[in-house]
Amino acid sequence: DAGVTQSPTHLIKTRGQHVTLRCSPISGHKSVSWYQQVLGQGPQFIFQYYEKEERGRGNFPDRFSARQFPNYSSELNVNALLLGDSALYLCASSLLLMNTEAFFGQGTRLTVV
Amino acid sequence: GENVEQHPSTLSVQEGDSAVIKCTYSDSASNYFPWYKQELGKGPQLIIDIRSNVGEKKDQRIAVTLNKTAKHFSLHITETQPEDSAVYFCGTGNYQLIWGAGTKLIIKP
Repeated sequence: DAGVTQSPTHLIKTRGQHVTLRCSPISGHKSVSWYQQVLGQGPQFIFQYYEKEERGRGNFPDRFSARQFPNYSSELNVNALLLGDSALYLCASSLLLMNTEAFFGQGTRLTVV
Repeated sequence: GENVEQHPSTLSVQEGDSAVIKCTYSDSASNYFPWYKQELGKGPQLIIDIRSNVGEKKDQRIAVTLNKTAKHFSLHITETQPEDSAVYFCGTGNYQLIWGAGTKLIIKP
C-alpha cells in the first residue's frame, strides 16, 4: 500500500512568489495535517483537516492556507513568500481525528531565495 | 498554550548501552504521547506511543514511561544499535501534535 505522498520533493522559489504543496493521504485516512519543520527544530503545526473541514490552525500568518478535497488529498498554499518560509513541509495523515498515529510523508523541501 | 520540553538535545552512547530521552509537557488534558524517529532526509516515523490510561509500554528494545502527575514521559532504548542513530521527537496533544525540539541520538561503535 502506498504511504503518504507529497509533491514536489524539492522546490526553489523567489521572495514574494506563491507556492502550492500537495499531499495524498493513505487510502482510507480522512485526516490530513500540515507541519513546518525548520532545520534543527521539531515540526510546528500549521493546519489539520478532517472530512474536508478545517479542524485546527496553528500560529501561522494568513499567508498560509490549505484545503482538503473530496478524495481527502490536500493542498497547502503559501502567498508572498519570505526567506523565513524556507523549511521542510510535512504532511501527515491519520485514520481518526484525535489520539491516533500520524503517518508522515517524506516532506517538501522549500527554499526561498 | 501547550509546551513540550525535550532533553537532552544531543545524546551519544556506546553501542549496546541504553539511551533515555525525557520530555515534560504543560497541558494536563493531554492524553496521547507518541515518539517519532526521523532519519536524515525522511519524514518522522512513529516508533511507540502511549495513552494516559497506562504508565508504561514496551515494544522489544523500546519502552515509554508516563508520569501524568509530574507531566513527564520518557523514551528508553536498550541494547542500542548503529541503526538507532537518528533524531527522536516526543509529541503530545489530543488533536494536533505539539512536538519537542528533538534529540539527536548518536550510537558510537
